[in-house]
Amino acid sequence: SQTIHQWPATLVQPVGSPLSLECTVEGTSNPNLYWYRQAAGRGLQLLFYSVGIGQISSEVPQNLSASRPQDRQFILSSKKLLLSDSGFYLCAGRRQSGISGANVLTFGAGSRLTVL
Amino acid sequence: AQSVSQHNHHVILSEAASLELGCNYSYGGTVNLFWYVQYPGQHLQLLLKYFSGDPLVKGIKGFEAEFIKSKFSFNLRKPSVQWSDTAEYFCAVNAPGTYKYIFGTGTRLKVLA
Repeated sequence: SQTIHQWPATLVQPVGSPLSLECTVEGTSNPNLYWYRQAAGRGLQLLFYSVGIGQISSEVPQNLSASRPQDRQFILSSKKLLLSDSGFYLCAGRRQSGISGANVLTFGAGSRLTVL
Repeated sequence: AQSVSQHNHHVILSEAASLELGCNYSYGGTVNLFWYVQYPGQHLQLLLKYFSGDPLVKGIKGFEAEFIKSKFSFNLRKPSVQWSDTAEYFCAVNAPGTYKYIFGTGTRLKVLA
């Protein structure tokens, strides 16, 4: 089965500092990968998704960027954090079609970012 | 563009009460539909899914959902809730063959023992 690992689990950063959140996938190859932000009362907001190495689609214009340097690695970054970047970030993966469990998202445990 | 509405933001029930959480989506074509649950301190996990076929789908822990195409709805039900069902529930939609999964704002369910 597919497992999504995220780290760090919690992070406290000052405004203006850089950010790097990492997501790795175990148990499948060539997955589709996603970054969501979860905010109270606002549900899960899709930030980025990737269908392969180096392929990133951005859903919401913002201070964040994403990269996929390896098949099973997905990174969420910022050069200079804003207070509004605080939140709970979730990585998710989807298996390729035709594989058991395809078309279903599997989530990691999340990374809680606090910007001070 | 796809969107998902969950009208109940907070629900409080006593144990053994019946549950129905509303979910409506906005999309004119074929859809895959999902309910995810997030228990306190745990990560999101799949509760049930609908791809095609029987519009009444059964998931884990006694939950079920009914897809009513004419109403663009996929409501979640459970005949008798337990204290352990206290969690946040999210409805999601995906158009087959596409990459985006759009989630609703979630419903926080609290079950009183």
